[in-house]
Amino acid sequence: GAVVSQHPSRVICKSGTSVKIECRSLDFQATTMFWYRQFPKQSLMLMATSNEGSKATYEQGVEKDKFLINHASLTLSTLTVTSAHPEDSSFYICSAKPPGLFTYEQYFGPGTRLTVT
Amino acid sequence: DQQVKQNSPSLSVQEGRISILNCDYTNSMFDYFLWYKKYPAEGPTFLISISSIKDKNEDGRFTVFLNKSAKHLSLHIVPSQPGDSAVYFCAATINTGTASKLTFGTGTRLQVTL
Repeated sequence: GAVVSQHPSRVICKSGTSVKIECRSLDFQATTMFWYRQFPKQSLMLMATSNEGSKATYEQGVEKDKFLINHASLTLSTLTVTSAHPEDSSFYICSAKPPGLFTYEQYFGPGTRLTVT
Repeated sequence: DQQVKQNSPSLSVQEGRISILNCDYTNSMFDYFLWYKKYPAEGPTFLISISSIKDKNEDGRFTVFLNKSAKHLSLHIVPSQPGDSAVYFCAATINTGTASKLTFGTGTRLQVTL
């Protein structure tokens, strides 16, 4: 159980275009999903917390108008990188948290490699 | 401000021996700690966790130890197997009652040799 999928796994886009990444929890309902970014040989940096039916909470330094997050249902969250630039090239990973106050574990998707040319 | 630190970027251990991965944290408000394993180009996989009210948690070959006074935790893998070769991240969280944000360390790359 606790499977999280991401689509696409890899995407190449041109500067100035927008890219949408989907994150789905396949076998559980996730009221909360998280979006992370990982640069090579670095840690996972939390970008934003996505709650179903409400606005996402962005971490300091993350532009909310550039990284649009929509948590449309209990099993789907999307991250849209708008007007992408080469510096947005990175590995984006989502995670989903099963419901429950004392559930701390997050289950991660396989990640999306974004390359902006 | 790196609140969770893994000072060893890499570790090499012989198959069958014990692997010890270390993690230090600075925020005394953290009340739950987790270890994740990550292969290249994949998302992290949850391994084991420990609450701040405990000092040890064991699951098969994996044991996590927590020393709150030293703000230090460690992951022991015994016996180590070649399939354990991966990057290991420790993470910490504060239970806010709703969503718990994870703060990750920088990772330690474990190489288990034959």
